[in-house]
Amino acid sequence: ILNVEQSPQSLHVQEGDSTNFTCSFPSSNFYALHWYRWETAKSPEALFVMTLNGDEKKKGRISATLNTKEGYSYLYIKGSQPEDSATYLCAFETGFNFGNEKLTFGTGTRLTIIP
Amino acid sequence: DAGITQSPRHKVTETGTPVTLRCHQTENHRYMYWYRQDPGHGLRLIHYSYGVKDTDKGEVSDGYSVSRSKTEDFLLTLESATSSQTSVYFCAITGDRGEAFFGQGTRLTVV
Repeated sequence: ILNVEQSPQSLHVQEGDSTNFTCSFPSSNFYALHWYRWETAKSPEALFVMTLNGDEKKKGRISATLNTKEGYSYLYIKGSQPEDSATYLCAFETGFNFGNEKLTFGTGTRLTIIP
Repeated sequence: DAGITQSPRHKVTETGTPVTLRCHQTENHRYMYWYRQDPGHGLRLIHYSYGVKDTDKGEVSDGYSVSRSKTEDFLLTLESATSSQTSVYFCAITGDRGEAFFGQGTRLTVV
């Protein structure tokens, strides 16, 4: 079983502040690292899929970086808004069984934005 | 909208009864997945399929079986439901960029 860890488990941030959280994953047999946003009572939605070491992706106020050599990714949210309140999941995709695409998810970081 | 529909959306069943959950996709995607979501565990893979009649086990497959007789449908069966299988079940497909698209979820309660 692959170990994908996210920290912190939960986070309360004042509206307007910026924040970031971490995903740690195995540094071997790497294929891709995914980030998902999961609002309460909805389904997870993909934010980013990153494959290259040093990759940086951005979508509006949300960005992510990737370090495959040391096995971590950061998700950043700039100028938090109430609508950013959600659980953010990362998922590790291994290249070990290439062609059998499976994701191993972390347990998520629950972000609450305080108005 | 990735065209994924799960049914039923909610179900309450008794211990020991068989239960089948259905995932239907309209996008002709090859890969389909069943996950369960439990507090403290995130999303855990139960079974997945990489084509018609091609399936494999995931991390938490005990007590579950799957079938995929056509591209658009992926069925998850609990042969004899137990209380430990009370969970929210999500079906997913893999998009063109490798990202997962999820169905709306099925909340299953085993009493």
